[in-house]
Amino acid sequence: ETGVTQSPTHLIKTRGQQVTLRCSSQSGHNTVSWYQQALGQGPQFIFQYYREEENGRGNFPPRFSGLQFPNYSSELNVNALELDDSALYLCASSLGRGDEQFFGPGTRLTVL
Amino acid sequence: KNQVEQSPQSLIILEGKNCTLQCNYTVSPFSNLRWYKQDTGRGPVSLTIMTFSENTKSNGRYTATLDADTKQSSLHITASQLSDSASYICVVRGGSNYQLIWGAGTKLIIKP
Repeated sequence: ETGVTQSPTHLIKTRGQQVTLRCSSQSGHNTVSWYQQALGQGPQFIFQYYREEENGRGNFPPRFSGLQFPNYSSELNVNALELDDSALYLCASSLGRGDEQFFGPGTRLTVL
Repeated sequence: KNQVEQSPQSLIILEGKNCTLQCNYTVSPFSNLRWYKQDTGRGPVSLTIMTFSENTKSNGRYTATLDADTKQSSLHITASQLSDSASYICVVRGGSNYQLIWGAGTKLIIKP
C-alpha cells in the first residue's frame, strides 16, 4: 500500500454531467499529479499540483480542472462529461515536483 | 518528438519461464527511466529507477538494463510466477520540461 487513497472507487455518470474525484496524498507529500488511463493504454498526464498551485498541465481541455487543499489532498473535476472520458483516473503523490510518484488505486469512471 | 515505445504489446508465457520486455525511447535530454508494474484496475507500483550512469539494476526476480547510447531499456523477469501477470510500463523523465513520458505498457500473462 502506498498510503495514497482515492474516492470513490467506481462511478457511473451520464453524458453532460459533472464529476468530482478525490485524492488524499501520502503523509509528507506536497505534490499531487492526476492521470487518465484508458483501457489498454498507458496513463496520460492531466495536471500536477504543487503546494496548492497548478504546476504543469497535459493536453486536456479546460473542462478538466483541479484543486489542491492546504492539507495537500486534491480534487479532479470534469464538467460536461463525454463518453470518451470513461477511464481509470489515477492520482499520484510525491515529496516534490520531480520526485518518485506513489499511486493510489484509481477511480474507475464510466460515462453512459 | 519525445516518445517511449514498448514491445511486445502483450506476452503469454508459462509459469517458471523467463521473459524480457523492451523499451525504446527518444526523450532528450534524458534524466531517468523507471519501470512500473500495474495490476489490472490498480495504480502502478515502481519496480526500478535507472539514471544515465546505471547499466543494470535488480529488484528480486526483476532485472532492468539501460543502454543510454542506443536509448534502450529492458526488463527481465526470472522464474515467472502467476502473480507476475500484470502490465509493465516504462516511463522516462526528461525533455525540456523535465516531464514524465509514459509508454503504453506490455501486458504479461503467466499461465500455469
